[in-house]
Amino acid sequence: QVQLQESGPGLVRPSETLSLTCTVSGGSTRSNSYYWGWIRQPPGKGLEWIGSINYSGGTYYSPSLKSRVTISVDTSENQFSLRLNSVTAADTAVYYCAGCWVGYYEGSYYYYMDVWGNGATVTV
Amino acid sequence: EVVLSQSPDTLSLSPGERATLSCRASQTISSSYLAWYQQKPGQAPRLLIFGASNRAAGIPDRFSGSGSGTDFTLTISRLDPEDFAVYYCQHYGRSFGPGAKVDIK
Repeated sequence: QVQLQESGPGLVRPSETLSLTCTVSGGSTRSNSYYWGWIRQPPGKGLEWIGSINYSGGTYYSPSLKSRVTISVDTSENQFSLRLNSVTAADTAVYYCAGCWVGYYEGSYYYYMDVWGNGATVTV
Repeated sequence: EVVLSQSPDTLSLSPGERATLSCRASQTISSSYLAWYQQKPGQAPRLLIFGASNRAAGIPDRFSGSGSGTDFTLTISRLDPEDFAVYYCQHYGRSFGPGAKVDIK
């Protein structure tokens, strides 16, 4: 069973770079069945997709955050990472990593996040 | 970019009642790209439904999903006390709807 765990600083100064890592256990970042993604949730608000990376390193970012975000994968460590630069107080949130299953079945592709980390609280 | 809206914002119901939540896409989407999640306070979201109508592993059969095109529905046939939570729809493993809260009346 795939499990994910976020790690990184809980406090980041304004204008600096937020960096988080997600460690994958029970599965592989090399899997072509998964995209690996980051989602955040500001206090009292809804979920916001930040971006995702696939097994070959292809990246997909939210248009609203694209200019500040980098997602990368380290297959040797079985980890993927998030960097968000020039942070402000508006970036204060719980940050989740998640695995998005991508599969082809009976003529259709399916995309859904079936595994999530517990979340990491980051305060700017 | 597909934008999802959800209604109502909040649904106040009693245990045993039926809950019907709506998710509307800004353009026609493939049903296979539509998923529903449940989130309780202090917890990560949990996958309920994928491909608009397929229950995820371990999800009780009181949860069902339907819809196509731009309009999708999550139905909880008889609310259990543990079902009071916030529900999100998602498209393509990316954008989320704003969420809908089901609270106790």
